[in-house]
Amino acid sequence: GENVEQHPSTLSVQEGDSAVIKCTYSDSASNYFPWYKQELGKRPQLIIDIRSNVGEKKDQRIAVTLNKTAKHFSLHITETQPEDSAVYFCGEEGSARQLTFGSGTQLTVLP
Amino acid sequence: EAQVTQNPRYLITVTGKKLTVTCSQNMNHEYMSWYRQDPGLGLRQIYYSMNVEVTDKGDVPEGYKVSRKEKRNFPLILESPSPNQTSLYFCASSPRGGVHSYEQYFGPGTRLTVT
Repeated sequence: GENVEQHPSTLSVQEGDSAVIKCTYSDSASNYFPWYKQELGKRPQLIIDIRSNVGEKKDQRIAVTLNKTAKHFSLHITETQPEDSAVYFCGEEGSARQLTFGSGTQLTVLP
Repeated sequence: EAQVTQNPRYLITVTGKKLTVTCSQNMNHEYMSWYRQDPGLGLRQIYYSMNVEVTDKGDVPEGYKVSRKEKRNFPLILESPSPNQTSLYFCASSPRGGVHSYEQYFGPGTRLTVT
């Protein structure tokens, strides 16, 4: 699969602040970019996704932005809450139609 | 209830002893895949299947085999397990249609330890 780089690997924010996680990819033909949340001891679950024909998508406190020119996409979480603490994975599906995940970001929301 | 199931959930085995981890989904999904999760490396795809009798290698296929004889089942086979295959394994399925991709539904995971 294509390489997806995810940053940062760990992120701590105060409750109520915003959190931003960024991923970069290399395949210009990539067309699908999901974000998954994995709580401790649980399975990954989709929280939001975006396709290449859209620049931004929002769902309540969560948003994803896509910059196709720069080949990067970001997850934005506003008004963070303790239950947002988890590992977040970005994903990218390229021309080979294979989904590749980033290495994950451990988000900790401090009370 | 729509779900992906994996068995066993936990397994401790010895080097070289063949094992199979089963995966089954009841959502009539075309697409199924296997991932391994290791600290600092995220989720790495082992094999995936676009439909019955169609399987393809992912990023880390060495040491693994899969089969897709039925739409609902996608077992992962380790013919001769080695300690470097100690990991957390997830099966996933997705209702892929045409050129579009959709949400992957993950199973609960299988914690494998090879000594």
